[in-house]
Amino acid sequence: QSVLTQSPSASGTPGQRVTISCSGSSSNIGSNSVNWYQQLPGTAPKLLMYSNSQRPSGVPDRFSGSKSGTSVSLAISGLQSEDEADYYCAAWDDSLHGVVFGGGTKLTVL
Amino acid sequence: EVQLVQSGAEVKKPGESLRISCQGSGYSFTNHWITWVRQRPGKGLEWMGAIDPSDSQTNYGPSFQGHVTISSDKSVNTAYLQWSSLKASDTAMYYCARGSGSPGGYWGQGTLVTVSP
Repeated sequence: QSVLTQSPSASGTPGQRVTISCSGSSSNIGSNSVNWYQQLPGTAPKLLMYSNSQRPSGVPDRFSGSKSGTSVSLAISGLQSEDEADYYCAAWDDSLHGVVFGGGTKLTVL
Repeated sequence: EVQLVQSGAEVKKPGESLRISCQGSGYSFTNHWITWVRQRPGKGLEWMGAIDPSDSQTNYGPSFQGHVTISSDKSVNTAYLQWSSLKASDTAMYYCARGSGSPGGYWGQGTLVTVSP
């Protein structure tokens, strides 16, 4: 059972906007910034968003992040077939003195 | 170009020892922590721990403390993850990544460890 909670699955059709959420507590998301990772099948995770809402170079602006209290969200607009992947949130946890991940959300593009 | 290159896949028997590696290049190795992440088959990502290559200070996740050892050798820009006695439950893909907190933008390609009788 993961410390950060994500819905196991999400789906959308091409062109749609999809939102993936991640909830935690005051010791992790509530007091630290969150990163998001995209993992395509059979590949290493890729940093998609850092510091809640900052996109690394090369990540399309279709991806956006936001934070409110102890929850964060990743929004994908203009959904494309290549966005089909697993998405993970992660944050430092002050109580556990380590990084905690969400369980991951499998995004299916219908 | 920043790269983290991991050692190749391993097949081991329960009780055997193992050390896998992660070699950094294209940057000052001692300026960035290295993190290890486990992914069991069909499962999510788990943070195992991290090491500061400049002084070998380590930090382990609660589930991994005492079960694995993270080390580094700055003379060869390499971080290591080792087990003294493998179990079947250690079967997983192991990734190294740069960063002291949540892993950053540079990841290794992964090392698949299979533990089977």
